[in-house]
Amino acid sequence: AQSVTQLDSQVPVFEEAPVELRCNYSSSVSVYLFWYVQYPNQGLQLLLKYLSGSTLVESINGFEAEFNKSQTSFHLRKPSVHISDTAEYFCAVSVNTGTASKLTFGTGTRLQVTL
Amino acid sequence: NAGVTQTPKFQVLKTGQSMTLQCAQDMNHEYMSWYRQDPGMGLRLIHYSVGAGITDQGEVPNGYNVSRSTTEDFPLRLLSAAPSQTSVYFCASKGTSGGYGYEQYFGPGTRLTVT
Repeated sequence: AQSVTQLDSQVPVFEEAPVELRCNYSSSVSVYLFWYVQYPNQGLQLLLKYLSGSTLVESINGFEAEFNKSQTSFHLRKPSVHISDTAEYFCAVSVNTGTASKLTFGTGTRLQVTL
Repeated sequence: NAGVTQTPKFQVLKTGQSMTLQCAQDMNHEYMSWYRQDPGMGLRLIHYSVGAGITDQGEVPNGYNVSRSTTEDFPLRLLSAAPSQTSVYFCASKGTSGGYGYEQYFGPGTRLTVT
């Protein structure tokens, strides 16, 4: 079975500072990887995903993540965060079970951006 | 498109009561799923469906029932509510049941408290 580990439950950072949210996964088969963001009192929204091809994927709001197969990691980074990036971020892995895909989520990292 | 809608937004139940959480999507998605979100545990899959008339269990199915009579609707029934079912429930849908790289779209959630 697959699993996802997000090592940091909370990450406090000052505005305009860089940030990295860590995600490691384990799976015996090929996976697709996702980062979802959840703003307060809202549902989850897809931030970015890795399916194949270039191992570096980017979102429209400046986040990027790099798939590292040897280290089984998919860390999320942003070079300069904004107050509006305050949210909870979930890493997720999807595997093909044959009948339907299932998403397995990490426990989430709460990013708190302050002035 | 309204996307994925959930009702109610909030609900308080007494132990032993039953209720149905409603979920609907207007994107003609084949795949629909229910998750529960608990602090420090991420999102866990309760049940999912790959099309009308087809449902299956996820990671934490006990105490919950689902059915899928139409493509649009996927209600979640709590048979006899317990305090352990206090949680935030999210419904999600996805375009292709067998494609595990497709994005899941989430509803805004239902916050359930069982006293």
